[in-house]
Amino acid sequence: GENVEQHPSTLSVQEGDSAVIKCTYSDSASNYFPWYKQELGKGPQLIIDIRSNVGEKKDQRIAVTLNKTAKHFSLHITETQPEDSAVYFCAASKGGTYKYIFGTGTRLKVLA
Amino acid sequence: EAGVVQSPRYKIIEKKQPVAFWCNPISGHNTLYWYLQNLGQGPELLIRYENEEAVDDSQLPKDRFSAERLKGVDSTLKIQPAELGDSAVYLCASSPGLATNNEQFFGPGTRLTVL
Repeated sequence: GENVEQHPSTLSVQEGDSAVIKCTYSDSASNYFPWYKQELGKGPQLIIDIRSNVGEKKDQRIAVTLNKTAKHFSLHITETQPEDSAVYFCAASKGGTYKYIFGTGTRLKVLA
Repeated sequence: EAGVVQSPRYKIIEKKQPVAFWCNPISGHNTLYWYLQNLGQGPELLIRYENEEAVDDSQLPKDRFSAERLKGVDSTLKIQPAELGDSAVYLCASSPGLATNNEQFFGPGTRLTVL
């Protein structure tokens, strides 16, 4: 069935360094890839997304890249700050279905 | 603009008791979702509504779970009777609808503990 694999499960970086989280999806028909940040006790918050007609998208310190051939997409956070510490989830969906398949999450710790 | 509102935020019940969760989506959002999130896992879809119609409830355990969205706005998710394995966070999300983007906006969730 449809599956999204996410790595790593935990990631610790020093403040100011970059962090990269990678996801792989199985359904080649997927065309929308959102990333969510979830802080303790809160619901997931959409931070960036990318559609299959775009290879890269950037929003300040956050960027997402998509390789449709390899069915890979990645989240890049530059100049990390302690407030970036959270669990990050990737997801994949097919247009028109609105069904998200989520990855298992990455717990990011930014060390001051 | 107010986000997705859920209540209660926390609920502790004994097994075999009923429980209900309430969700108020973002104003104007036609699509509403209920998700289950187990500890250390990503959210899993339980049911999706387009206005008042449940269009995808294939993952909803219908023997004990039920949901409604009577007027196409607020929604209630019910479990009766609750089991120990139902302990999880229940998330509600909404999105503008089919004619627009896919973005889903989540509420803070209800953390259920079944003793």
